[in-house]
Amino acid sequence: RKEVEQDPGPFNVPEGATVAFNCTYSNSASQSFFWYRQDCRKEPKLLMSVYSSGNEDGRFTAQLNRASQYISLLIRDSKLSDSATYLCVVRGSNDYKLSFGAGTTVTVRA
Amino acid sequence: GAVVSQHPSWVICKSGTSVKIECRSLDFQATTMFWYRQFPKQSLMLMATSNEGSKATYEQGVEKDKFLINHASLTLSTLTVTSAHPEDSSFYICSARVARGNEQFFGPGTRLTVL
Repeated sequence: RKEVEQDPGPFNVPEGATVAFNCTYSNSASQSFFWYRQDCRKEPKLLMSVYSSGNEDGRFTAQLNRASQYISLLIRDSKLSDSATYLCVVRGSNDYKLSFGAGTTVTVRA
Repeated sequence: GAVVSQHPSWVICKSGTSVKIECRSLDFQATTMFWYRQFPKQSLMLMATSNEGSKATYEQGVEKDKFLINHASLTLSTLTVTSAHPEDSSFYICSARVARGNEQFFGPGTRLTVL
């Protein structure tokens, strides 16, 4: 079983729409959770950390459910520039290694 | 934020040759650097963890004699793909972590194509 699993998508949405997707992780001892954004043929860039109480950064809202071991990301009022692959990333408890999901592709159309 | 560079950004080589990829932290000292590999439409897979002045720790299934890692200073780690073959063609990305920090800063990646 993969450590981090994501729905690959793609999610094709019109500008202004709301899009949401989840990921699940297998290690219940995981301590830190992140969403990264990766554009085609580029390195991943940190979008936001995910906290237990849920957190919001502008149009992006992240939620963590430790009991069910899933993380979600919601994008409101989608922009064309939001088109990217979103990587769910989990860090374990004993080291600084990151486990990446394969990514969810979002395409925002005009 | 902290900046990590990689060189080269892309390389094409013949099968059997060795390729060296450099990862540098430009404005901070990185106690730990990580090397990842990403195949098309797949997730980043950690290959090895490298601490300055010590031997790298390789993930299961990664051949240490094929992927040589040297972390000689707090700002430079190198990955050498020895005797490269077409199946080694991939996107190689490094990241660096500062001492007592949680965040990893990623380099722009190196796209390796082995003919």
